[in-house]
Amino acid sequence: NAGVTQTPKFRILKIGQSMTLQCTQDMNHNYMYWYRQDPGMGLKLIYYSVGAGITDKGEVPNGYNVSRSTTEDFPLRLELAAPSQTSVYFCASSYPIVQRGTYEQYFGPGTRLTVT
Amino acid sequence: EDQVTQSPEALRLQEGESSSLNCSYTVSGLRGLFWYRQDPGKGPEFLFTLYSAGEEKEKERLKATLTKKESFLHITAPKPEDSATYLCAVQAGDSNYQLIWGAGTKLIIKP
Repeated sequence: NAGVTQTPKFRILKIGQSMTLQCTQDMNHNYMYWYRQDPGMGLKLIYYSVGAGITDKGEVPNGYNVSRSTTEDFPLRLELAAPSQTSVYFCASSYPIVQRGTYEQYFGPGTRLTVT
Repeated sequence: EDQVTQSPEALRLQEGESSSLNCSYTVSGLRGLFWYRQDPGKGPEFLFTLYSAGEEKEKERLKATLTKKESFLHITAPKPEDSATYLCAVQAGDSNYQLIWGAGTKLIIKP
């Protein structure tokens, strides 16, 4: 199992450009998430998905879009990049601990994005 | 407001010097508290889930404990390879999916 994979590892964008961050998992998890991590801050949830065709906003969705056409893939789209989107982006997937109502999340290696 | 606070921000220890990291939380009901380890340039790696006050879990030199207000990650006789940032997150009782994350404690173990 490769787990959760993300591409690219690094990217530099100019203000106003767009890009898609790719995320794939091979664990057959229904739940997937996108987070951003800024220095000195906790992880912030951007979007999440509970299955193919179902997505919802997290805490900081503005400036981003997602789609989920398959169980495996959950790409994150940045439209009109802004310096405030400079961050490290992590994709995660999870399965439910049904008897507890909790979810153990497994993370990809991250994409470091700089917008200048 | 639900929140998670980790302390200290950074901790430097000599190899073999035991210590504890703290995660204080305020949530409306606790469904689960999670500890993760994050190495530089990598994604967080799952360590433990704790569900109720009094629960303890161990893994090698790490032991996590939970009270009604906080969790401790005890590290016994640490080695340089234990150096990492340790993250704490909670799932509130009224949340199905969203975790509230602390900012982490950066642990440095000097040989």
